[in-house]
Amino acid sequence: DAGVTQSPTHLIKTRGQQVTLRCSPKSGHDTVSWYQQALGQGPQFIFQYYEEEERQRGNFPDRFSGHQYPNYSSELNVNALLLGDSALYLCASSTLAGRYNEQFFGPGTRLTVL
Amino acid sequence: GDSVTQMEGPVTLSEEAFLTINCTYTATGYPSLFWYVQYPGEGLQLLLKATKADDKGSNKGFEATYRKETTSFHLEKGSVQVSDSAVYFCALSSSNAGGTSYGKLTFGQGTILTVHP
Repeated sequence: DAGVTQSPTHLIKTRGQQVTLRCSPKSGHDTVSWYQQALGQGPQFIFQYYEEEERQRGNFPDRFSGHQYPNYSSELNVNALLLGDSALYLCASSTLAGRYNEQFFGPGTRLTVL
Repeated sequence: GDSVTQMEGPVTLSEEAFLTINCTYTATGYPSLFWYVQYPGEGLQLLLKATKADDKGSNKGFEATYRKETTSFHLEKGSVQVSDSAVYFCALSSSNAGGTSYGKLTFGQGTILTVHP
């Protein structure tokens, strides 16, 4: 059973550019959450998608947007990149029907903004 | 809002030593509590969880008990191994009374554990 997969593994962009990160959830999961993990910090919640809708959002600007497809896979888009957007971006999947929000994480995408 | 505070790190131990990593929390709703582990260059793996007061989560020799009266969820292991070296994150997720999650996980800042032979 494949777990959560993310692509690409690493990405280097320059300030002002736009980036798209991709995530495929664990089989049987219908909910995808995205987190930003700066170096030496705990992950920070960006947003969560369920049934192709943004269900909840953290304290991130509108430059961060997302999408969920009918097959439950998801994308995270970041526009007008800033140096401070350099981080590990983690995708986590879960099932909304499951109680207590147990989330399973992918390996992450390391984004470097120069 | 929700918040999680972990003990200051890093923690350095010798193999077979006893491990405690402290975690305290504040939460709205009815929190579930988790410990995640992150090995170098990897994503997060769920280590254990507890969903209500006095529950004890356990896995791979690690244990943590959900203490509502002290709002704590300390991680313990009786005898650590070199392979336990990693970063450990305490996290919570608040739910309503029916157990439906509000969505996000709130993480502590992480504790780096290094175990020497």
